[in-house]
Amino acid sequence: AQKITQTQPGMFVQEKEAVTLDCTYDTSDPSYGLFWYKQPSSGEMIFLIYQGSYDQQNATEGRYSLNFQKARKSANLVISASQLGDSAMYFCAMRENTGNQFYFGTGTSLTVIP
Amino acid sequence: DAGVIQSPRHEVTEMGQEVTLRCKPISGHDYLFWYRQTMMRGLELLIYFNNNVPIDDSGMPEDRFSAKMPNASFSTLKIQPSEPRDSAVYFCASTFSFVSKGEQYFGPGTRLTVT
Repeated sequence: AQKITQTQPGMFVQEKEAVTLDCTYDTSDPSYGLFWYKQPSSGEMIFLIYQGSYDQQNATEGRYSLNFQKARKSANLVISASQLGDSAMYFCAMRENTGNQFYFGTGTSLTVIP
Repeated sequence: DAGVIQSPRHEVTEMGQEVTLRCKPISGHDYLFWYRQTMMRGLELLIYFNNNVPIDDSGMPEDRFSAKMPNASFSTLKIQPSEPRDSAVYFCASTFSFVSKGEQYFGPGTRLTVT
């Protein structure tokens, strides 16, 4: 079974609109961390946001927020007020703390339309 | 801090040649990771080190691949002999422990082309 599933290979959003990128995960480890990374066309991987499995509140970082639904094992990334510079690949990732294992999803390509 | 440094940024080599990729992690980070990214297979974790010791190399594709970390500030990934299917972008990443978030900081990557 896939540890990280990103079901949207490509997404489009109108500039200034909000967009949600889906991520579901699979783990039996009670302690884990969830991450989102952005990879623009230039190729670098940029850390965006983190959510710990014991965190009570959803993480937020500027225009990024993580919609964490633990029971559903989902960790969707919400980008508010999309900008042209948000066009990139977005990867969801998980760290299982007990076994120190790391997993990345296959990514979602986001295109912001002017 | 300068961030994670990788060299070379681009490498073109012929099949059968030895290739060595280099990485300098962020100072103070105690974990170092090597990833490979291709269109077909996405981002794959090859190996990671903790305090210079290899912890998990289950992602290393085959014996042609080897990685070392002789000290806290330097790591190499070697492919010998190289094959066209090794063509990919290779990323190095580092992080400080798992007590905090443990987010990984990635280098700019090395684009390897094997002809």
